[in-house]
Order: sequence, then structure tokens, then C-alpha cells
Amino acid sequence: DGGITQSPKYLFRKEGQNVTLSCEQNLNHDAMYWYRQDPGQGLRLIYYSQIVNDFQKGDIAEGYSVSREKKESFPLTVTSAQKNPTAFYLCASSLEGGTIHEQFFGPGTRLTVL
Amino acid sequence: SQQGEEDPQALSIQEGENATMNCSYKTSINNLQWYRQNSGRGLVHLILIRSNEREKHSGRLRVTLDTSKKSSSLLITASRAADTASYFCATDMDSSYKLIFGSGTRLLVRP
Repeated sequence: DGGITQSPKYLFRKEGQNVTLSCEQNLNHDAMYWYRQDPGQGLRLIYYSQIVNDFQKGDIAEGYSVSREKKESFPLTVTSAQKNPTAFYLCASSLEGGTIHEQFFGPGTRLTVL
Repeated sequence: SQQGEEDPQALSIQEGENATMNCSYKTSINNLQWYRQNSGRGLVHLILIRSNEREKHSGRLRVTLDTSKKSSSLLITASRAADTASYFCATDMDSSYKLIFGSGTRLLVRP
């Protein structure tokens, strides 16, 4: 059963804590992405990785960090430096980097800061 | 600022009617993609149209692209209640490696 998975589905965090969101894909895709979605809004790019061991900042990278040590995994850490982290986080992958390929999305993680 | 903006923001139609959503963008593009998002879920890719294409079809979906007007439209024919979702256009900017998503059109199809 191929696809992209995210865990957990819901996550609650106290202010000042770091939290890591998991994203795994078994599609053998080179490129992976993290997006943030706020209510009634579109997606904003946080980080993207075109190949293992390499990643670039997106439009709203401040307060977030990522790693890409394995092709199938692209975890996102939301640090205490992120001032307004409550949002819906979506991970995606595509066959290769660039915009000519469709992106496959995971089901999302809803993060709430208490 | 957003590269692509959808219009209308919300659309309510009766089952069986056609639904048309529009997307306008600001700079030249290599391609444009449309995605669907059911409430609280991830996005699903619908269609990709390249800048040298004017129209593409996929089942009940028809996408047009007018690069002179920097706009695209998504037509869903013979809508069904299951088409209820948010629809997003995503564009690149020439020489960009990332997609930029609009804020979406929320479609409600009433049974």
C-alpha cells in the first residue's frame, strides 16, 4: 500500500516546547515538502528537500527545522521560536524536485498549542 | 504575496449543475496545477496544465489556461454531492522550484 503518512493526526503542545511531526513516504520520491495551512487559507511552504541530505527554506521557515537523512523520511520540528504554531501541517512528496510533477499529500497533522 | 488567487471564495450549487472556479496569477508560469481538499484532509492532485496548453480534460473536469490574461478556470460538469470540497490552484513562477497555492474556492454541492 503505497503512499505518504503523517503522524500523529492531532498534537497538543505547551508553549515553550519543541515538537516533531513525522512524515514518511514509500513512493520512492526524491522530493519532499512541508506546508502550513491556517483556517480558510491556502498552503504556505515551510521547507522543501529535492534530494536526500539536502533541503531549502521555503517562505515561512522561521521557527521550524527539518532533516532529510533518509529518502523516505522528512521530519519537521516546530521549535519554541515559532510564535504562532497552531495550524494544520501537510507533508507532500513528488517524483523529483521542480514544479512539473504532481505532489502527493499526506493526511496532515493538526497542531494545537495550549 | 499570493501568486494565484481563486474566485469565487465560496460557491454553492445544486447537484447536477456545473461549477466553474477561476484562478488568476501575477507572473509568467511554466505550469499550473489544480488540487482538491476535503475538509480536514490532505490535498489530491486533479490536473496539471502546461503554459503551452490551452485546455485539458479529465473525466468531468475541464481546465483552461489563458496566459495572456494570466488566468485559469476549472469546470466541474454534472456536479455531485461528493464534489463538495475546497479547490486550489497552484502555480510556479518562471525558474522557480516551488509551487505557490492560492487561498482556494470552497464548493458546496447540495443534494
